[in-house]
Amino acid sequence: DAGVTQSPTHLIKTRGQQVTLRCSPISGHKSVSWYQQVLGQGPQFIFQYYEKEERGRGNFPDRFSARQFPNYSSELNVNALLLGDSALYLCASSEGTNSGNTIYFGEGSWLTVV
Amino acid sequence: GNSVTQMEGPVTLSEEAFLTINCTYTATGYPSLFWYVQYPGEGLQLLLKATKADDKGSNKGFEATYRKETTSFHLEKGSVQVSDSAVYFCALSVNTNAGKSTFGDGTTLTVKP
Repeated sequence: DAGVTQSPTHLIKTRGQQVTLRCSPISGHKSVSWYQQVLGQGPQFIFQYYEKEERGRGNFPDRFSARQFPNYSSELNVNALLLGDSALYLCASSEGTNSGNTIYFGEGSWLTVV
Repeated sequence: GNSVTQMEGPVTLSEEAFLTINCTYTATGYPSLFWYVQYPGEGLQLLLKATKADDKGSNKGFEATYRKETTSFHLEKGSVQVSDSAVYFCALSVNTNAGKSTFGDGTTLTVKP
């Protein structure tokens, strides 16, 4: 079975531009979470979606938005990019939201803002 | 708010040495605790977890015990191998929602033959 897949794997954007990152969860998984990982730090929670509804949001500005589609795939959008948005963006999926559910991470999308 | 503090790295050990990576946490409510591992060139993967006080999580020879009295979840392995070289992250989740986790900054382990 395919794991969590993310695209693109690497991209370079200019300050002020917008970016869309995509995530396909493991088949059967209804929960998708997004994390930002800056070099040398641990992942920071951005959003969680379950059954197409937002279930949680981390401490990120409104420039960050996300959605989940009927097939449970998800997109993360970041508007008005800043240099500080350069990071690895991780998507994770799980069957549900119970802590008994193991979450599985994709390999991430590396975003560089210049 | 919730936070996780890991011992600063990097950690370098010889093969077959004993490993301890310290992790302490601050959380509202009763968190579940996790250790994740990131091998070179790979994504994050769950190593072990514990969901209530005094639980011991274990996997691949690694162990960690949920200590509520000391708010700790230290990772241990009796004999490390070169293949254990990776970055290890301690994390917690509250409200029984693993998808919304708080991570430490990671500890890089290098094991030399």
